Amino acid sequence: NAGVTQTPKFQVLKTGQSMTLQCAQDMNHEYMSWYRQDPGMGLRLIHYSVGAGITDQGEVPNGYNVSRSTTEDFPLRLLSAAPSQTSVYFCASSYSASALNSPLHFGNGTRLTVT
Amino acid sequence: AQSVAQPEDQVNVAEGNPLTVKCTYSVSGNPYLFWYVQYPNRGLQFLLKYITGDNLVKGSYGFEAEFNKSQTSFHLKKPSALVSDSALYFCAVRDTPYSGGGADGLTFGKGTHLIIQP
Repeated sequence: NAGVTQTPKFQVLKTGQSMTLQCAQDMNHEYMSWYRQDPGMGLRLIHYSVGAGITDQGEVPNGYNVSRSTTEDFPLRLLSAAPSQTSVYFCASSYSASALNSPLHFGNGTRLTVT
Repeated sequence: AQSVAQPEDQVNVAEGNPLTVKCTYSVSGNPYLFWYVQYPNRGLQFLLKYITGDNLVKGSYGFEAEFNKSQTSFHLKKPSALVSDSALYFCAVRDTPYSGGGADGLTFGKGTHLIIQP
């Protein structure tokens, strides 16, 4: 089982460039989410999805878009990269959005640097 | 609004000694509580959770956590630390019942670096 797969592992962008961070899970999980991790800030939720075709904003959604056309995939798009978006990005999934006790399964992260 | 606090940025423990990583929380309803561990250059891994029932919860790698409702705490413990336990540990809380809308209701602490010295 691959679990949650994120690509790329590393990326360097120039200010104003756009890109898509890919996330795929093979566990048939309903719920998927994107977090960013910054030193001393813990994890902050960017966007999440409770099923195909359904997305919602998290704590820090500005500058990011998501879509969920299939159960497996949940890409995160940076529309116009800014240095403040330099961070480590994690995708996570869990079995059911309604099962609030369901733990999250995380990918290994994408380290993004915006210059 | 719910919140979770990990008061120590770093905890240093000698190998073989017991360890405790502290977590306190604030919710309006009943808490679902989680501990995750992050090794370098990896994603978070689930360790254990408290939903209801026994206040002492056992999890992976010999870790356990004690839920204390009166002190609103959920400290992570292990009787005998290993060097391989060195990692970043996150506490997370979800308030229930969840009213929906906005963020998904799961809040993470800022993390505690656990360093086990040989």
